[in-house]
Amino acid sequence: GQNIDQPTEMTATEGAIVQINCTYQTSGFNGLFWYQQHAGEAPTFLSYNVLDGLEEKGRFSSFLSRSKGYSYLLLKELQMKDSASYLCAVRDDSWGKLQFGAGTQVVVTP
Amino acid sequence: DTEVTQTPKHLVMGMTNKKSLKCEQHMGHRAMYWYKQKAKKPPELMFVYSYEKLSINESVPSRFSPECPNSSLLNLHLHALQPEDSALYLCASSQDRDRDNEQFFGPGTRLTVL
Repeated sequence: GQNIDQPTEMTATEGAIVQINCTYQTSGFNGLFWYQQHAGEAPTFLSYNVLDGLEEKGRFSSFLSRSKGYSYLLLKELQMKDSASYLCAVRDDSWGKLQFGAGTQVVVTP
Repeated sequence: DTEVTQTPKHLVMGMTNKKSLKCEQHMGHRAMYWYKQKAKKPPELMFVYSYEKLSINESVPSRFSPECPNSSLLNLHLHALQPEDSALYLCASSQDRDRDNEQFFGPGTRLTVL
C-alpha cells in the first residue's frame, strides 16, 4: 500500500532552523513535492525533488534519498509567517496523481 | 496570470439541492484536478482531467459530477450530497499530467451540507 509519514507538529523559535522529515513507501516514484498550507488557504508549492540530493531555494531547502524513501524540508531563519502546515506529497506514477502525507504543523514562537 | 480562481468561496446547501463549483485558470495548463480536504487532513484526489478528458476518477460517488467545458474551466456539479461531504474543495492545475510539473492550487470552496 501507499504510506507517507511525517511528524504531526513541530515548534521552534523565530530565527531558528527546523527540519521536517518525510518517509514514504509507494508503489512507484516520480518525484516528491513539498507544499505549505496556511489555515483555511490553498497549498502553495515550495519545492520539488526527483533526483537524490539537496535543492536550495532561499530560506527553504529540500533533500531526497530515493534508496531510503526519505526526504526532508529545512526551514532556516524562521519567521512568524512560517507558522503553517507543511505537506509532503509523492507522485507515485506518471498519471499526475499526488499522494499527500498528513502534514506537519509548524508553530513558530517569538 | 499565474493563479487558479474558484467560485464560490463558501457554499451552504441542503441535501436535496443541486449546485456547482467553478474553477478557472489562464496559464495554458492542460491538466486540472479536483481535491477534497477535510479539516486537519491532507487533500485527497477526486478527479484528474487531461486535455479536457477525464483521466482519473478516484472512485468518487456519482453525486459528484465533474465537467471540463474547455481547457481553462473545470466544474464540479453537486447533487444530493450528504453532511459528511462538507469539506474544502480544492481545484488545481499543472502544465500537463505527465511531466514533473508542480500543481497550482486555487483558494478552495468551503462547502457545508446541512
